[in-house]
Amino acid sequence: GESVGLHLPTLSVQEGDNSIINCAYSNSASDYFIWYKQESGKGPQFIIDIRSNMDKRQGQRVTVLLNKTVKHLSLQIAATQPGDSAVYFCAENIGAGGTSYGKLTFGQGTILTVHP
Amino acid sequence: IAGITQAPTSQILAAGRRMTLRCTQDMRHNAMYWYRQDLGLGLRLIHYSNTAGTTGKGEVPDGYSVSRANTDDFPLTLASAVPSQTSVYFCASSANWGNTEAFFGQGTRLTVV
Repeated sequence: GESVGLHLPTLSVQEGDNSIINCAYSNSASDYFIWYKQESGKGPQFIIDIRSNMDKRQGQRVTVLLNKTVKHLSLQIAATQPGDSAVYFCAENIGAGGTSYGKLTFGQGTILTVHP
Repeated sequence: IAGITQAPTSQILAAGRRMTLRCTQDMRHNAMYWYRQDLGLGLRLIHYSNTAGTTGKGEVPDGYSVSRANTDDFPLTLASAVPSQTSVYFCASSANWGNTEAFFGQGTRLTVV
């Protein structure tokens, strides 16, 4: 079946560096792509989403880029801080018309470790 | 504001026993979800409810049932637990069905022995 997956399971960066977390997807029917952050012992937390008709969206210290040509999604975190250490999940939300409409499908996750 | 509250936090359960995981939200969200999280498999949707009184099956519904008698509560029941149901279970809600922002509880760590 179609799914969302990640290129790298782990990423280690120094505090202050920029981080880039990547995600590949295969479902062209996805209406939205979303990033979630999960800290140890907690539930996932919404970071940012991007609609499929956009290629870039910026939030506070984060930017999501969508390349539909190669079905690639990335999350860029500027000036990474130790508090950014977590597992990051990309997810997709299927648009109306499909049997999976409205359901969030998550990828496997990337562990980001920020060293002081 | 509590958001999503799950209970219990953790549980060790004998195989074959029945167990209900509780989930309550105070945000008056219409949609609620149950996910299980296993190492290497990410979060997988078990069941969902897009509004009170309706439920639907997710990706891995077998062995689980849910009910949505009111807006706030969305319990998940394991009728006869098996070791493969050992996992961390997350309840979540969103304002409306199809919203990209879901709010998750702290999770219930369940071990079936």
